[in-house]
Amino acid sequence: GIQVEQSPPDLILQEGANSTLRCNFSDSVNNLQWFHQNPWGQLINLFYIPSGTKQNGRLSATTVATERYSLLYISSSQTTDSGVYFCAGAKYGNKLVFGAGTILRVKS
Amino acid sequence: DSGVTQTPKHLITATGQRVTLRCSPRSGDLSVYWYQQSLDQGLQFLIQYYNGEERAKGNILERFSAQQFPDLHSELNLSSLELGDSALYFCASSVGSRDSTDTQYFGPGTRLTVL
Repeated sequence: GIQVEQSPPDLILQEGANSTLRCNFSDSVNNLQWFHQNPWGQLINLFYIPSGTKQNGRLSATTVATERYSLLYISSSQTTDSGVYFCAGAKYGNKLVFGAGTILRVKS
Repeated sequence: DSGVTQTPKHLITATGQRVTLRCSPRSGDLSVYWYQQSLDQGLQFLIQYYNGEERAKGNILERFSAQQFPDLHSELNLSSLELGDSALYFCASSVGSRDSTDTQYFGPGTRLTVL
């Protein structure tokens, strides 16, 4: 199966800073999603982005499918952005393989 | 709120016991997925059902089984529980069609503790 590598594993930001999280895949994927797991454990879908660029408020994501990576941009970070960010992909269908996550801590 | 509901939120039980986790998908979603999140294994796909039929299988143990009912809710049955089964179990749903890909929406999870 595919392998999903996320970087960095940990990130500490001052409130207001920007950040870029990266996700590399060992094989091409037809399904790619980014999630935020908040401190209460809830997994919140951020983007469904097998290719191209999407934006939602202060968050945006870009997937370069031909090079098998995706980036998640967080601008003007807030303390509520803290938590773990996961990317997940599937080569076929919806059998998502998750990365290990990036732990983000935003300090006020 | 994703629209996916899971019960119970927390479950504490003993080794060797059997438990049932329940999931109701978002209105209109035909696919249901089960995932396990543990400290050592991370988030792992267990199984997918589409409109009542098993569609895809992941690293699901033989002691675990699932089904999706005609009203589209799903249950995950875990039997002969071991300490290592302690984890957060998520259900997700998507509109789904048999072979396409789409966004999965996750429920709040059931935290299982096996003592």
